[in-house]
Amino acid sequence: EVQLLESGGGLVQPGGSLRLSCAASEFTFSTYEMNWVRQAPGKGLEWVSYISASDGTIYYADSMKGRFTISRDNAKNSLYLQMNSLRAEDTAIYYCARDLGGWAGFDYWGQGTLVTVSS
Amino acid sequence: EIVLTQSPGTLSLSPGERATLSCRASQSVSSSFLVWYQQRPGQAPRLLIYGASRRATGIPDRFNGSGSGTDFTLTISRLEPEDFAVYYCQQYTTSPPMYTFGQGTKLEIK
Repeated sequence: EVQLLESGGGLVQPGGSLRLSCAASEFTFSTYEMNWVRQAPGKGLEWVSYISASDGTIYYADSMKGRFTISRDNAKNSLYLQMNSLRAEDTAIYYCARDLGGWAGFDYWGQGTLVTVSS
Repeated sequence: EIVLTQSPGTLSLSPGERATLSCRASQSVSSSFLVWYQQRPGQAPRLLIYGASRRATGIPDRFNGSGSGTDFTLTISRLEPEDFAVYYCQQYTTSPPMYTFGQGTKLEIK
């Protein structure tokens, strides 16, 4: 069965950095577009970033541009999110999600990793 | 930027009843790019409907999506206990390329 496993979350001070990882298994990772989506405690879903399967196309939500960097390593079946200049409002569970493309939605999600930005 | 507004914020119903959830866009959205998710407490979201009306793999036929333009609806014909959850609509735009979620509708047991 398709699996997505996020890691790298934790407590970080305002202004700090963190790198999230998402390990994919049981599907051909290199052929799927991927996304990061976050959810602040008790709040709704917020899309963060998109990366294409292989041609390097990348999109970000406006509030993340310039601070977050999405990347992937298809040889390692892994997705990443480098987060810099973190703010208290970035506190959230961060999910990686497989994009069906087409556009048919995000069909598989990881269980998420919690990022807490606090002094 | 397109804003999706879901209503009601909370819907209180009993098992066996019919649920109707609304998602309204601030400007016209391609039906091809409108999706619904279900999120149960403590779980990741689950894809229910894509293309406004197409059920995702494994989704029971009591879940139905409809609508076009700015008004979309998710209907659950006969509520089962496991259907009580939060539901989100999502849309994709190409210019600028971005994905937007509605704020969610909580479906709770009455």
